[in-house]
Amino acid sequence: AQRVTQPEKLLSVFKGAPVELKCNYSYSGSPELFWYVQYSRQRLQLLLRHISRESIKGFTADLNKGETSFHLKKPFAQEEDSAMYYCALSSYNTDKLIFGTGTRLQVFP
Amino acid sequence: DTAVSQTPKYLVTQMGNDKSIKCEQNLGHDTMYWYKQDSKKFLKIMFSYNNKELIINETVPNRFSPKSPDKAHLNLHINSLELGDSAVYFCASSPRGDTIYFGEGSWLTVV
Repeated sequence: AQRVTQPEKLLSVFKGAPVELKCNYSYSGSPELFWYVQYSRQRLQLLLRHISRESIKGFTADLNKGETSFHLKKPFAQEEDSAMYYCALSSYNTDKLIFGTGTRLQVFP
Repeated sequence: DTAVSQTPKYLVTQMGNDKSIKCEQNLGHDTMYWYKQDSKKFLKIMFSYNNKELIINETVPNRFSPKSPDKAHLNLHINSLELGDSAVYFCASSPRGDTIYFGEGSWLTVV
């Protein structure tokens, strides 16, 4: 079954500290992985997708098929990074995103 | 120039009422969705339409009925509202199989 697991509900760090938001998935085919971010009471926004191999707002994520992981990383957290982060999975040419339960990132000054 | 817009943004209503949330996208996408985000922040797909046709219908009570008059609109009607329906409902759209774009969300509170 397709599943996305984000083991941490809450991650608290101080400004300037490194951040790693964990995401593991289970999927039998070739998945497409995404990270979405939701700032307080705002819409969900795409942060990055693994096929783009981009770095957005200093965040990066590498798809590790051996470990079935897609962890989100940033070397130096900023206060404005405080938000809910959702890892999501989709197969190519499908019409459904499967979300993890989300991780709330709190960055303290 | 909002890409995916949904109304109302906030809705407080009594149990037993019937309410609708409207959604429109101006991105020219073929596929539209409704997602529910519950109080624990869990996001779950409810429905997906492609060119006005229902293609995903997850386990959702019959009280929820989506309607797509054209491919740019996907409205969500909820009958006989219950306390457990309180949640944030997100409309979204995508070109088929590609990145999904979300609306701002509609905060529904049933009292």
